[in-house]
Amino acid sequence: GAVVSQHPSRVICKSGTSVKIECRSLDFQATTMFWYRQFPKQSLMLMATSNEGSKATYEQGVEKDKFLINHASLTLSTLTVTSAHPEDSSFYICSAHDAGGADEQYFGPGTRLTVT
Amino acid sequence: AQRVTQPEKLLSVFKGAPVELKCNYSYSGSPELFWYVQYSRQRLQLLLRHISRESIKGFTADLNKGETSFHLKKPFAQEEDSAMYYCAPRRRGSTLGRLYFGRGTQLTVWP
Repeated sequence: GAVVSQHPSRVICKSGTSVKIECRSLDFQATTMFWYRQFPKQSLMLMATSNEGSKATYEQGVEKDKFLINHASLTLSTLTVTSAHPEDSSFYICSAHDAGGADEQYFGPGTRLTVT
Repeated sequence: AQRVTQPEKLLSVFKGAPVELKCNYSYSGSPELFWYVQYSRQRLQLLLRHISRESIKGFTADLNKGETSFHLKKPFAQEEDSAMYYCAPRRRGSTLGRLYFGRGTQLTVWP
């Protein structure tokens, strides 16, 4: 089946620094990828839709200057958390939409971000 | 407003008992409905979607447009069914495929 990877799986950074998370579709091309945030024991909250070759679409309440998304190729989307603060600590999950195949979203394993 | 409700945060049953995980939605138009499952320490994965009308791992879900519900059912629960289950509607015809998840129901199946 289709596989989506995320890197890193876990990252600790200091307050005020930026951190980049990568999301890759390994065996299919994804014109659309999605970024979610999950707090402990809570549901996934859609943050933004990442479109290959164009600007990302952010959900209401998500700061686009805070969470920079780049979808430079059909297999890679990156999320950069800029000027991170402790409240940005969370589990970030990406998914890739296989529009050409089963019209299904495949999820990455997630990245645990801790801001100290 | 678009909304999906999973009223039970936690659900426990014994092995072999029937289980039903509830999902109600409030969406404009006729959305597509999905159930996703997340086993412990694993990534989220699709369990089933209403348009395929298939049974996966013994689970079925019927879309009831009158009640705007998409409850997930299994007649005989197994211990390996213990997981977090999320209901997620998607606007029909949406090529972007955005999913908005319910809060999830943690199912525990006791031996």
